[in-house]
Amino acid sequence: EDQVTQSPEALRLQEGESSSLNCSYTVSGLRGLFWYRQDPGKGPEFLFTLYSAGEEKEKERLKATLTKKESFLHITAPKPEDSATYLCAVQGDSNTGNQFYFGTGTSLTVIP
Amino acid sequence: NAGVTQTPKFRVLKTGQSMTLLCAQDMNHEYMYWYRQDPGMGLRLIHYSVGEGTTAKGEVPDGYNVSRLKKQNFLLGLESAAPSQTSVYFCASSYFLRGEAFFGQGTRLTVV
Repeated sequence: EDQVTQSPEALRLQEGESSSLNCSYTVSGLRGLFWYRQDPGKGPEFLFTLYSAGEEKEKERLKATLTKKESFLHITAPKPEDSATYLCAVQGDSNTGNQFYFGTGTSLTVIP
Repeated sequence: NAGVTQTPKFRVLKTGQSMTLLCAQDMNHEYMYWYRQDPGMGLRLIHYSVGEGTTAKGEVPDGYNVSRLKKQNFLLGLESAAPSQTSVYFCASSYFLRGEAFFGQGTRLTVV
């Protein structure tokens, strides 16, 4: 069964300590991969869409990259305000019925 | 510009009671969705709509009904609430089917 797996489940970083979050997927035909940020008690907020292997997108301290089977969300010199849960979602193509799957997220805590 | 607005934000129901969750969007999006989010599980799609007057089943539709009488509104109904429906419910809308989505703040529902 097609799945989205995010790792690690939780990550604690010191302010300024760069790291990466991983999203691996098994959907056979990828239409798009999406990254969202979710703050406690709020709905997910869209960050990026990636469509093909090799694609990269950046926003402030965040950079998302995509390979054929996984995506990374790189966080450079994080600040406490970057603390949140980061969700990955993938959409399969028409051959997979345009199925759409969310991962369970990585909870990021940045310590001052 | 409010985006996606959900009401109510919190609700406690007794088993067997019914209720309707309201979702309104002001972005003129064709596509609207209802998700539920449970600990340890990714967001799961309950029902969605591809336009006014249309609805379709998602991944976990049992026990829920929906209606989209107006383009800007998407209603989620529980006819006979069960404890298994205790969850956080999110409404979302998008310009493209299952593309970049805008989420509401969520409704925390507890069924006792």
